[in-house]
Amino acid sequence: DAKTTQPTSMDCAEGRAANLPCNHSTISGNEYVYWYRQIHSQGPQYIIHGLKNNETNEMASLIITEDRKSSTLILPHATLRDTAVYYCIVRAPDSWGKLQFGAGTQVVVTP
Amino acid sequence: EAGVTQSPTHLIKTRGQQVTLRCSPISGHTSVYWYQQALGLGLQFLLWYDEGEERNRGNFPPRFSGRQFPNYSSELNVNALELEDSALYLCASSLVSDQPQHFGDGTRLSIL
Repeated sequence: DAKTTQPTSMDCAEGRAANLPCNHSTISGNEYVYWYRQIHSQGPQYIIHGLKNNETNEMASLIITEDRKSSTLILPHATLRDTAVYYCIVRAPDSWGKLQFGAGTQVVVTP
Repeated sequence: EAGVTQSPTHLIKTRGQQVTLRCSPISGHTSVYWYQQALGLGLQFLLWYDEGEERNRGNFPPRFSGRQFPNYSSELNVNALELEDSALYLCASSLVSDQPQHFGDGTRLSIL
């Protein structure tokens, strides 16, 4: 699986949009971009995934650049409960079950 | 819909002992995955079970093993516990193997 690069940490004001970047310059054509988050003392929570088109669900939006070398997760109106470590993962369908987690981005939402 | 459930939530063992952790997947999910999250090491893939068979394992010694039952629940067994086995053990499930994995809140294992 391709590796991803994320900032170590980010701060965001409550009520504002949080834009979380991820670089995956070596992504292969069949690899999806997945986002998970992990709130302290809980298991990772699936947020969203996409291949090349932008995706939106009730939690977030995923914007993938046309060359697929980077993506941005957007939390439209951050709340204090969005404070978590956010993981960007690229994964092929034939990855034999493995999600390769990196260090992620520690996002702190402040009042 | 109930999420992935794991038991117990916390466990304390001593070196050399054996432990069994349990996982119930989301209803309808047939694939179960195990991960280890040790302090400072991040989430590491341990095992993948699908339709009762072990399909893949990560870079862990053979004393880490498990199984999946006909109802798709799963157990993770760790023999001859070592201090470095202290970690959060996470179970995840998915509808099929190429669909998103959904995680439980884990079992916190402490080795004294």
